[in-house]
Amino acid sequence: ELKVEQNPLFLSMQEGKNYTIYCNYSTTSDRLYWYRQDPGKSLESLFVLLSNGAVKQEGRLMASLDTKARLSTLHITAAVHDLSATYFCAVDSTSGTYKYIFGTGTRLKVLA
Amino acid sequence: DGGITQSPKYLFRKEGQNVTLSCEQNLNHDAMYWYRQDPGQGLRLIYYSQIVNDFQKGDIAEGYSVSREKKESFPLTVTSAQKNPTAFYLCASSAGRVRNQPQHFGDGTRLSIL
Repeated sequence: ELKVEQNPLFLSMQEGKNYTIYCNYSTTSDRLYWYRQDPGKSLESLFVLLSNGAVKQEGRLMASLDTKARLSTLHITAAVHDLSATYFCAVDSTSGTYKYIFGTGTRLKVLA
Repeated sequence: DGGITQSPKYLFRKEGQNVTLSCEQNLNHDAMYWYRQDPGQGLRLIYYSQIVNDFQKGDIAEGYSVSREKKESFPLTVTSAQKNPTAFYLCASSAGRVRNQPQHFGDGTRLSIL
């Protein structure tokens, strides 16, 4: 069964600092997705990573994928308060269905 | 604009009552999904549908039912058998066979017990 784990689960950081969120998954997949969820809101797609070595960047966020290590990272550069949210990674199921398996989420709080 | 519309935004259920949450999409997506999210938790899959007139149970299907009579619609019924229905319910869709795209999510329905 495909499992997706994120760490840390909670992250409190100062503005201006850098940090990385990790997403590990248990079986082979070459498609990984990152989403953002603001409190009380729905999920918004951030990045789609489609191959080994893929790197995507948007503003202060950069996501990468290593399919051999079954690992994706979401790197935050010089954090600002507006980045406070919960971040989820998700992986396509490889069982032939259209299921997406979500990680547990990382709740990020950026302190001014 | 294409998107997913969930209604209502807030819903209250009385004991022993069935309630239905609406989900409509105009993205021409094949696949649709229902997730449950409890406070401070991740997403748990209730049901998903890959094509009209077909759907599969997810991880927590007990106490819920769905139908997929039209491509654009995937309503979820929370039955009286679901003893703890209070949660945030999210509907999503994806292109299915074109599998390089993320899911698109609706704004959610918040269900509470009266």
